[in-house]
Amino acid sequence: DGGITQSPKYLFRKEGQNVTLSCEQNLNHDAMYWYRQDPGQGLRLIYYSQIVNDFQKGDIAEGYSVSREKKESFPLTVTSAQKNPTAFYLCASSIGGPLKVEQFFGPGTRLTVL
Amino acid sequence: AQSVAQPEDQVNVAEGNPLTVKCTYSVSGNPYLFWYVQYPNRGLQFLLKYITGDNLVKGSYGFEAEFNKSQTSFHLKKPSALVSDSALYFCAVRGSGNTPLVFGKGTRLSVIA
Repeated sequence: DGGITQSPKYLFRKEGQNVTLSCEQNLNHDAMYWYRQDPGQGLRLIYYSQIVNDFQKGDIAEGYSVSREKKESFPLTVTSAQKNPTAFYLCASSIGGPLKVEQFFGPGTRLTVL
Repeated sequence: AQSVAQPEDQVNVAEGNPLTVKCTYSVSGNPYLFWYVQYPNRGLQFLLKYITGDNLVKGSYGFEAEFNKSQTSFHLKKPSALVSDSALYFCAVRGSGNTPLVFGKGTRLSVIA
């Protein structure tokens, strides 16, 4: 978990509300990622960013939005359009470019919709 | 498209016995393969990776993995399991192009004392 922080650890949201999950890294990594984890479904990619001011949709981007204004920060907003947002959200980062590099993960944020 | 399959949802093994967690992959081009471990309510921790070269890769905490190109497999192994190895294990792959890792659904390992 070192080098990547996610906050808050637990988040509760009422239906119809937007919420923003924070992800910060001090590893000087170019690339950052957001995954969603549900029991029995593994990790599914929401969005990723390979450089500042640029990002791409992953497999399940609907109902989510991101920004990448600074290299060290990649916040994720879960909008009211996301029909089933209760899940464990993981942020990751990696050195950009080489295919052989691993991704480093933060400790996660557990979002629960009340 | 690249994909990973972990055919077992759960693996049970007695402490001290060898363990194997299976993974098969599908990519176009040469694969870059990774194993991660996750403890409850935590992020994923990197264990090891295969890039090229020796088919047997050694990683953290005594784990190793064997790359088999003909069987498109990358099974995780450990000669002697510990109770503390009980966790959720993920296999991941990256194929051609600078793309994010694609993860399997995970295998829950339970080591029984």
